[in-house]
Amino acid sequence: SQKIEQNSEALNIQEGKTATLTCNYTNYSPAYLQWYRQDPGRGPVFLLLIRENEKEKRKERLKVTFDTTLKQSLFHITASQPADSATYLCALYFGNEKLTFGTGTRLTIIP
Amino acid sequence: DGGITQSPKYLFRKEGQNVTLSCEQNLNHDAMYWYRQDPGQGLRLIYYSQIVNDFQKGDIAEGYSVSREKKESFPLTVTSAQKNPTAFYLCASSGKGGISYEQYFGPGTRLTVT
Repeated sequence: SQKIEQNSEALNIQEGKTATLTCNYTNYSPAYLQWYRQDPGRGPVFLLLIRENEKEKRKERLKVTFDTTLKQSLFHITASQPADSATYLCALYFGNEKLTFGTGTRLTIIP
Repeated sequence: DGGITQSPKYLFRKEGQNVTLSCEQNLNHDAMYWYRQDPGQGLRLIYYSQIVNDFQKGDIAEGYSVSREKKESFPLTVTSAQKNPTAFYLCASSGKGGISYEQYFGPGTRLTVT
């Protein structure tokens, strides 16, 4: 069965630095990969989607890469701010009508 | 003001009672989903529906039931057969079935069963 791993459970980054979060998967490559942000006690909010034939996607200070050889996606937040502190979830679509979510990485930006 | 709503935000029930969680969307989305989130675990899919009057079991459907009589509504019933019902429940919708469409999530319902 498919397994998704998001690097560390928690990540602390100094304000202004780039935060890099990792999403690794096993077995089959997904057709699409999405990243969501979740604040405590709230529902996730969609951030970015990247397709298997795309290497990189950007949106403002966010950048996502997708390496099907390494079976990995990297999620970058540049010029990080305390307001970026949240849990970030990766979600993969394997062609079975549903998304499979990772457990998330809790990111804290330290002022 | 478009969106997806869940009610109530907090719900308390005694063991052995069935409870129904509400989920409504006015985004005109075809697909709707129910997830369960436990501490330290990812979102796990309970049920999903691609179209009115049709729904499929997700990965952890045992002890749950749903209905999809209207496009806007996808209520979830947590039955007394669900062994560990205390959790954070999230409803989501998308334009089409999860393929390349982002999912929009509601604010969640935290259910506590004692």
